[in-house]
Amino acid sequence: QQQVKQSPQSLIVQKGGISIINCAYENTAFDYFPWYQQFPGKGPALLIAIRPDVSEKKEGRFTISFNKSAKQFSLHIMDSQPGDSATYFCAASSSIQAGSYQLTFGKGTKLSVIP
Amino acid sequence: DGGITQSPKYLFRKEGQNVTLSCEQNLNHDAMYWYRQDPGQGLRLIYYSQIVNDFQKGDIAEGYSVSREKKESFPLTVTSAQKNPTAFYLCASSTPGLYNEQFFGPGTRLTVL
Repeated sequence: QQQVKQSPQSLIVQKGGISIINCAYENTAFDYFPWYQQFPGKGPALLIAIRPDVSEKKEGRFTISFNKSAKQFSLHIMDSQPGDSATYFCAASSSIQAGSYQLTFGKGTKLSVIP
Repeated sequence: DGGITQSPKYLFRKEGQNVTLSCEQNLNHDAMYWYRQDPGQGLRLIYYSQIVNDFQKGDIAEGYSVSREKKESFPLTVTSAQKNPTAFYLCASSTPGLYNEQFFGPGTRLTVL
């Protein structure tokens, strides 16, 4: 079964620090890797995404690093703020039929940024 | 405002009863999805639909049913056959393209009493 393994399960970071969440995958057919942010009681929201033809993508304080040969990708949150406290999910997309894609999610990382 | 709406936000059900969760989108997306979220388990795909009048089972479809009579609507029925239905249910939609950027609704928390 396709899997995306995410670590750590929980993370506590001081305000202003760097938060790093890692994901690993096995299926080389995955071709799109989004990260979602979810606040309690809310639906996940797309945060940032990367395609396997690039090694890094940065949007503001959020950066995805992608290592195709190692089949790993990670989310870095620079200058972490208490408002970043949420659960983060990595995901990977693969084709399930022509023109249709399925997302496989990691189990999530609960980030707490303390003042 | 374009987006995905789910109702109700909270739902309580007695054991043995079927219940239907609503999902509506006005994003003009062709594809719609239902996920189940349990604590520490991530999101698991229940059903998806790429076009009207067509839908496919996901990874955990047993005990659930769906319909797609309109592009905007994709209701999910949790049947009495679902052994452990208490969970947070999320609906999502996406537009056709090379990749799959899915947008999620706010979710429905179902509790079986």
